[in-house]
Amino acid sequence: QTVVTQEPSLTVSPGGTVTLTCASSTGAVTSGNYPNWFQQKPGQAPRTLIYSTSNKHSWTPARFSGSLLGGKAALTLSGVQPEDEAEYYCLLYYGGAQLQCVFGGGTKLTVL
Amino acid sequence: QVQLVESGGGVVQPGGSLRLSCAASGFTFSDYGVHWVRQAPGKGLEWVAFIRYDGSNKYYADSVKGRFTISRDNSKNTLYLQMNGLRAEDTAVYYCAKTSGQPYYFDYWGQGTLVTVSS
Repeated sequence: QTVVTQEPSLTVSPGGTVTLTCASSTGAVTSGNYPNWFQQKPGQAPRTLIYSTSNKHSWTPARFSGSLLGGKAALTLSGVQPEDEAEYYCLLYYGGAQLQCVFGGGTKLTVL
Repeated sequence: QVQLVESGGGVVQPGGSLRLSCAASGFTFSDYGVHWVRQAPGKGLEWVAFIRYDGSNKYYADSVKGRFTISRDNSKNTLYLQMNGLRAEDTAVYYCAKTSGQPYYFDYWGQGTLVTVSS
């Protein structure tokens, strides 16, 4: 059973920078896990921010960026805004004969 | 604009069945794979199943394998999730999520439909 681990909670000041990470129990996260990052605010559906490690959608604010960092997937927010307070989930893809996608447990980001 | 609208949720007894639908519009549905993802009350997201654009391949989480069946009708622009043998732990909001090609390229999500398994 593959487990994907994220920080349960982080706090950042408005205008600051914060990095959220996403680790895999199977070892280092690579580009072959095609990390996706999602934002979810209370009472709303998730919204995709980043796909395939670092690719942004047209609606993704420029202050969000994705990368691989120290064997983990990472989501960095630079110049955090109050509206960035939300739950953030990563997802890792495990290919092969039996495709599996596994979500991390989520990071509750507080902007304070 | 791209829209995904889930329906079919409701209250069902343990052991019962339910079929969810996800109606797609605003894009060529038959060109893209689609996922089902669920979220239990107050919990995180859980991947449930994926179906390729033409229905040729289907993949499931271990927690639902053998009980749930994902399917699609490209002539009706609709994705389905047939859920049998429902358990209390299947209680969740179920979302459909579109990909932009490969199964790991998530883009648009629907608003979800709530399934409650309770006696």
